[in-house]
Amino acid sequence: NAGVMQNPRHLVRRRGQEARLRCSPMKGHSHVYWYRQLPEEGLKFMVYLQKENIIDESGMPKERFSAEFPKEGPSILRIQQVVRGDSAAYFCASSPTGSDTQYFGPGTRLTVL
Amino acid sequence: AQKITQTQPGMFVQEKEAVTLDCTYDTSDQSYGLFWYKQPSSGEMIFLIYQGSYDEQNATEGRYSLNFQKARKSANLVISASQLGDSAMYFCAMRHIWAGTALIFGKGTTLSVSS
Repeated sequence: NAGVMQNPRHLVRRRGQEARLRCSPMKGHSHVYWYRQLPEEGLKFMVYLQKENIIDESGMPKERFSAEFPKEGPSILRIQQVVRGDSAAYFCASSPTGSDTQYFGPGTRLTVL
Repeated sequence: AQKITQTQPGMFVQEKEAVTLDCTYDTSDQSYGLFWYKQPSSGEMIFLIYQGSYDEQNATEGRYSLNFQKARKSANLVISASQLGDSAMYFCAMRHIWAGTALIFGKGTTLSVSS
């Protein structure tokens, strides 16, 4: 059973470009969470999604950031017009219905030049 | 507001010794779960152990055990017989039991194991 998959593992963007981060949850998991980790910090929650629905986006910046989890395909975290402060590791986690445990992917390290 | 505090930025231990990583939490809710994750230098987040707030027994997973003291709101991780591969950052986290809520993380403790 494959774990949570994230790609790309590393992403370099120039200021003003768009970044698209992908997450495929573990098989059978219908809950997806996105977290951001700044250097020397713990992870901070961004958004929680189920298929085709955003359940909780209380941690998402109000502008430039969006997330989706379509009926088919991976969950996408999209950052428009990136700035240097967006440089961070972005982690996706998934969990099955009825479980408290979230299993994390390897993360995408975004560097904004 | 919910909060996780890890007061030890770094810990050092010799191989084969036991080590305790501290974690205290703050919440007014009665139903919650406590988690420990390991982040090695390669960067992935590895789930180690879970404790539910209503669990009467301390959780154990192999060499990992969680010393849960509910009245003191502490959930310390104990690693027995440390190995060199245990060198990593360790994060304590909490979430409320109702499905779908976010994990709240502490700032982490860096553990260094020497031979």
